[in-house]
Amino acid sequence: DGGITQSPKYLFRKEGQNVTLSCEQNLNHDAMYWYRQDPGQGLRLIYYSQIVNDFQKGDIAEGYSVSREKKESFPLTVTSAQKNPTAFYLCASSRAGVETQYFGPGTRLLVL
Amino acid sequence: DAKTTQPPSMDCAEGRAANLPCNHSTISGNEYVYWYRQIHSQGPQYIIHGLKNNETNEMASLIITEDRKSSTLILPHATLRDTAVYYCITTGTASKLTFGTGTRLQVTL
Repeated sequence: DGGITQSPKYLFRKEGQNVTLSCEQNLNHDAMYWYRQDPGQGLRLIYYSQIVNDFQKGDIAEGYSVSREKKESFPLTVTSAQKNPTAFYLCASSRAGVETQYFGPGTRLLVL
Repeated sequence: DAKTTQPPSMDCAEGRAANLPCNHSTISGNEYVYWYRQIHSQGPQYIIHGLKNNETNEMASLIITEDRKSSTLILPHATLRDTAVYYCITTGTASKLTFGTGTRLQVTL
């Protein structure tokens, strides 16, 4: 089955620790995205990548970092600089130049 | 800021058509209207999109007014599994999907 996988489903982090969220897709999509969702709110764009080895900041990139070394993978690191990291994180992908994005199941991050 | 306006919530009886409205009065000529839905604690699911013409697929129909300032998503025979938050989005670029708070559709028996 083609699709987007995110792991883990739930993630717990102690304050001051960095944590990396995984996102993998086997849809052969060029573009990948990371969003954050807070309770009762819509999604906000953190970072996106249109091509391997290139990425751009979204609307709320502070405290986050990404890499895009492979077409299939776009990991997101939540750093200790992110003041309020508890949220639902969603990864998406799309074909180059096409707006339809397909989403993974999400990772719920909880800071203890 | 969200470029679309949707009612915060709607109810629909199972088996009936659910008509979800969206206002996008500032839409520009090259922007599409997209609809996604999000079932609780899952990733958003693509439903349908259109530019000017009405569109239909296996999930829903999209009716766009002639002036393109508003649209309606129609679920022809709503089921309990259609209970979700529905997002209407206008966009001209793949990197800019701006999700507002959407419409929470509750389908009831």
